[in-house]
Amino acid sequence: DSGVTQTPKHLITATGQRVTLRCSPRSGDLSVYWYQQSLDQGLQFLIQYYNGEERAKGNILERFSAQQFPDLHSELNLSSLELGDSALYFCASSPGRTLYEQYFGPGTRLTVT
Amino acid sequence: AQSVTQLGSHVSVSEGALVLLRCNYSSSVPPYLFWYVQYPNQGLQLLLKYTTGATLVKGINGFEAEFKKSETSFHLTKPSAHMSDAAEYFCAVSKTSYDKVIFGPGTSLSVIP
Repeated sequence: DSGVTQTPKHLITATGQRVTLRCSPRSGDLSVYWYQQSLDQGLQFLIQYYNGEERAKGNILERFSAQQFPDLHSELNLSSLELGDSALYFCASSPGRTLYEQYFGPGTRLTVT
Repeated sequence: AQSVTQLGSHVSVSEGALVLLRCNYSSSVPPYLFWYVQYPNQGLQLLLKYTTGATLVKGINGFEAEFKKSETSFHLTKPSAHMSDAAEYFCAVSKTSYDKVIFGPGTSLSVIP
């Protein structure tokens, strides 16, 4: 158990819908990262937050957004969902701004039908 | 731009045999290098990392990797495979400790009894 929690574990929704994925980092970790893992794209970095502020952006679509709240939990919002958004979404956390070691949550499996 | 290649999307070894998973990177500067492991239905877990100093890095579960700058490689090895080593292995690179981490496509390791 990494100490990072993600909810929900599974999510099934229809095209065009909007969903919110939630992540609670390890106690004391200030940085949260979001990744998308799919068979065709592999593991793709989406976005990083540090202590409530966006620090780095990766291959995140405009339809996707994220935020980190004062209690340090983070939410990833996916809107206007398409079939191709079906994937495993991971959250990871680390103690600081460095990316030395990230602790990954168990992931949320999103299925868009 | 940084990139990571992992030769062999799938590797099979016999129990007790040497494990060798290959990773090559491209980076304009000396990188930080990581190996992560993903067991079925779980998030990723850090196996080992290279930042600076000794080029032979020892990690958890008996794994080690050697940074070879001249070959731009960071291959992962384990002298004797266990059944419990069956998993997906990801090599990753970061340009600095503040930069995003780029993951390779992964290598699936099977261990044959």
